[in-house]
Amino acid sequence: DAKTTQPPSMDCAEGRAANLPCNHSTISGNEYVYWYRQIHSQGPQYIIHGLKNNETNEMASLIITEDRKSSTLILPHATLRDTAVYYCIVRVLGDYKLSFGAGTTVTVRA
Amino acid sequence: NAGVTQTPKFRVLKTGQSMTLLCAQDMNHEYMYWYRQDPGMGLRLIHYSVGEGTTAKGEVPDGYNVSRLKKQNFLLGLESAAPSQTSVYFCASSSSGSGAFEKLFFGSGTQLSVL
Repeated sequence: DAKTTQPPSMDCAEGRAANLPCNHSTISGNEYVYWYRQIHSQGPQYIIHGLKNNETNEMASLIITEDRKSSTLILPHATLRDTAVYYCIVRVLGDYKLSFGAGTTVTVRA
Repeated sequence: NAGVTQTPKFRVLKTGQSMTLLCAQDMNHEYMYWYRQDPGMGLRLIHYSVGEGTTAKGEVPDGYNVSRLKKQNFLLGLESAAPSQTSVYFCASSSSGSGAFEKLFFGSGTQLSVL
C-alpha cells in the first residue's frame, strides 16, 4: 500500500474554509484516495473519495493534484461540529480493507 | 435503520478472563471488520470477513478470534484477556470489499479495559 503523510494537527476558524493536506507520493495508478473523519468517541465516518478528478459532495471537496502525489480535503464552511480527526487513506483497488494512520486533528475555533 | 450496532459499549475484565464482543449490521453487507484503536493512534485492523462463514487475519490478529456464522453478525473473542488488549474496539461493515466505490460504516465502539 502507498503511505500517506498528514500534519498532526491544525486549527481553523469557524465559518472559514479548512484545507487539509495529504501527501501520497508513492500512489499507484489504481489506488483511490479516501477521506474519513472521527469525531471524539465515535466511529469513523466516510467523507469523500476520488481517483484523479476533483470531487465534491455535501460534506466536502477533494482536490487531487495532476500527478496524484498529494490531495487536499476542503471543508468549505467549517463549524464547531467539524472538530475531529481526519484520515487520508490510499486504498489499493482490489484490497478488502482500509488502513488508518494517525490522521490530522482539526480543531475549529469560534 | 440501526446500521452497525456493537454490544457491549463498555466492559472491564480481569487478566485471563474471556469475553465476546458482538457486532450486528442490518444493511445486508457482505464484508465486516474489527478494528482496535489505542489512545492517540489510528485504527488497526484485527480481523475481517468477506462473507458468511469466512474470516481472515488483519494487521494485529494475535490474541483474538472471530466468527461469522450469520451474515449480519461478526463476533470478536478474547480467550484470555491481557492488559495490552485495553483499547476501543470498532466494528465496521461494507457492501463489498474490492470495488472502487466503497465506504465502511462503523459502529460506535466498545471501550474495553483489562486490569
